[in-house]
Amino acid sequence: DAGVIQSPRHEVTEMGQEVTLRCKPISGHDYLFWYRQTMMRGLELLIYFNNNVPIDDSGMPEDRFSAKMPNASFSTLKIQPSEPRDSAVYFCASGGSVGETQYFGPGTRLLVL
Amino acid sequence: AQTVTQSQPEMSVQEAETVTLSCTYDTSENNYYLFWYKQPPSRQMILVIRQEAYKQQNATENRFSVNFQKAAKSFSLKISDSQLGDTAMYFCALRDYGQNFVFGPGTRLSVLP
Repeated sequence: DAGVIQSPRHEVTEMGQEVTLRCKPISGHDYLFWYRQTMMRGLELLIYFNNNVPIDDSGMPEDRFSAKMPNASFSTLKIQPSEPRDSAVYFCASGGSVGETQYFGPGTRLLVL
Repeated sequence: AQTVTQSQPEMSVQEAETVTLSCTYDTSENNYYLFWYKQPPSRQMILVIRQEAYKQQNATENRFSVNFQKAAKSFSLKISDSQLGDTAMYFCALRDYGQNFVFGPGTRLSVLP
C-alpha cells in the first residue's frame, strides 16, 4: 500500500480564497482523521470519520472549515474563505478498528498571505 | 476528558547514550492504547511504539522501549544507543475505545555527535 496520500503537499494562497485539501486513506481503514499542526497550538484534531460518517467535528475551528468524505477512499478539508491564521501543516491520518495505529500522510503545508 | 502531558519541551543526549522521555496521561477509561510518534524535520509522523493498556508487559521495538505504569498513568519512552537520526519531535498519544485520539505537546529531542 502507498500509505496515506495527501495533496497538494504545499499550498500558497491569498486571504479570502478557497482552499481544498485532499486525502486518500489506506485501503481498508475505517477511520479517517484531519489534524492541524502549528507552533503555537501543536497538533490539533479537527474532525474524524468512521465509515465515511463524521463522528466528532468539535475541533473544527469555525464555520469557514468543512470536511467531507464522499466514499471510503477520499476525503476533503475545505477552508472558505481562508485567513492568514489558517497557515499551518494539515495532516490526514487513517486507522483501522479500535486500538489500531493511526498512519499519517505527509501533510499539506498551507500558507495564507 | 482525556489529557496527555509531556513535561519536557526539549531534551538532548549524546550519540550512543540512553535517554528517557516522559509522558503522563489522564483518562477515565480502563481500556485504551498508548503510542509514541516521532516527527523528524521532514514533518512526517512516524509510529515508534504502541502499548495496549490491558497488557502488563512493556512494549519494545529494537532500541525503543516503554515503561508503562498504569496505576500512575505514566508512559515513558526509552531510547537506547541514541543515533543522530533519532533527532526529532516525539509525541505521546492516547486512544480510547471511543476512538478519541489525544496527543501531547511533544518533546524535542536532539542527539548530539
